[in-house]
Amino acid sequence: SQTIHQWPATLVQPVGSPLSLECTVEGTSNPNLYWYRQAAGRGLQLLFYSVGIGQISSEVPQNLSASRPQDRQFILSSKKLLLSDSGFYLCARRYNTEAFFGQGTRLTVV
Amino acid sequence: GDSVTQMEGPVTLSEEAFLTINCTYTATGYPSLFWYVQYPGEGLQLLLKATKADDKGSNKGFEATYRKETTSFHLEKGSVQVSDSAVYFCALYPNSGTYKYIFGTGTRLKVLA
Repeated sequence: SQTIHQWPATLVQPVGSPLSLECTVEGTSNPNLYWYRQAAGRGLQLLFYSVGIGQISSEVPQNLSASRPQDRQFILSSKKLLLSDSGFYLCARRYNTEAFFGQGTRLTVV
Repeated sequence: GDSVTQMEGPVTLSEEAFLTINCTYTATGYPSLFWYVQYPGEGLQLLLKATKADDKGSNKGFEATYRKETTSFHLEKGSVQVSDSAVYFCALYPNSGTYKYIFGTGTRLKVLA
């Protein structure tokens, strides 16, 4: 099983507040992990990917950061949210060539 | 760089109509190609895949053939149902040492009863 757990499912946060979204995965060890954001009615934007513990590649400079403290844990964070951070955040893992996605977190910044 | 281009939506069809969603790609080497489907409020699910030229991926009545000569991977279904209403994403995995998937912008399909 390549199950991906994301929480929370929905989140409403005020501008300027911190953020922590967690993703944990099951299955094979040392997976490649990804954070994507999907703005309303838009496509997928790759934010970060990780090929191992402590290894993070950032695709888009912004006020978000990611960490991978454990093999199967991938965390997306922000110190101060902006209105433009609203969106649907998806965690994914690679297994062979396939990407498996979590159910997503819908973040609304108000 | 690698890229995926898919037709703009939304696509609106009547039930039992024939569906085609076009997808073309640019990539060096031999990428794997995918179609993913996203139902409202959910993550993406793999619909079908093809890993080499002339492969045909199929699932739930959907089909797509990996055409290297035209760099295309068009999604087709002979008879759509209301339950097929969703957003469809074409994607590639480069298989060239980079770990990044390339997604198209998505095509929204609405099927009317």
